[in-house]
Amino acid sequence: GQSLEQPSEVTAVEGAIVQINCTYQTSGFYGLSWYQQHDGGAPTFLSYNALDGLEETGRFSSFLSRSDSYGYLLLQELQMKDSASYFCAVRDNYGQNFVFGPGTRLSVLP
Amino acid sequence: EAGVTQFPSHSVIEKGQTVTLRCDPISGHDNLYWYRRVMGKEIKFLLHFVKESKQDESGMPNNRFLAERTGGTYSTLKVQPAELEDSGVYFCASSQDSLETQYFGPGTRLLVL
Repeated sequence: GQSLEQPSEVTAVEGAIVQINCTYQTSGFYGLSWYQQHDGGAPTFLSYNALDGLEETGRFSSFLSRSDSYGYLLLQELQMKDSASYFCAVRDNYGQNFVFGPGTRLSVLP
Repeated sequence: EAGVTQFPSHSVIEKGQTVTLRCDPISGHDNLYWYRRVMGKEIKFLLHFVKESKQDESGMPNNRFLAERTGGTYSTLKVQPAELEDSGVYFCASSQDSLETQYFGPGTRLLVL
């Protein structure tokens, strides 16, 4: 089976840096994805890591360590609009469907 | 380019009734997924179509749920008969070449009373 763990909530102030961690246990692993979901909205794709290391896309970066079954999403120069839920997701051993983590609710304070 | 669309946006039905949700993926996307999020919990995979074929339906909760994708374009998800625990937000997503980059629709909020 698959399981992912994320912190349930994170709070930070505008301009700060926040890291959202994700640990996973899967019977097969292809890569780790991150999605953002605003209240009442649809999940939107942020990043994907198939290999170890850091991937940077603007203010957002994502890191993966396959040996540790661990990854994180790093958000820099936080803005109020970054307040949302963030989900990590992995492809299962069949590589055909996704298993989402429980989500981390990020609150950005002024 | 139009995004993934879902209809209806909201549905309120009584226990025992039937509801059909529709998803129109991005044109040309062969992969279509259905997901469900219940009571703010994690997003749960339901099934995956590649064109008109069900690639994986291991997430379908029981035989009250039936998904179809005739012609490999839009898809429907029917719940018959609906139960209280079926309430939640049903998302559809589509992708083409990369299974990791899925484009989600706005979701259908289903409430079963």
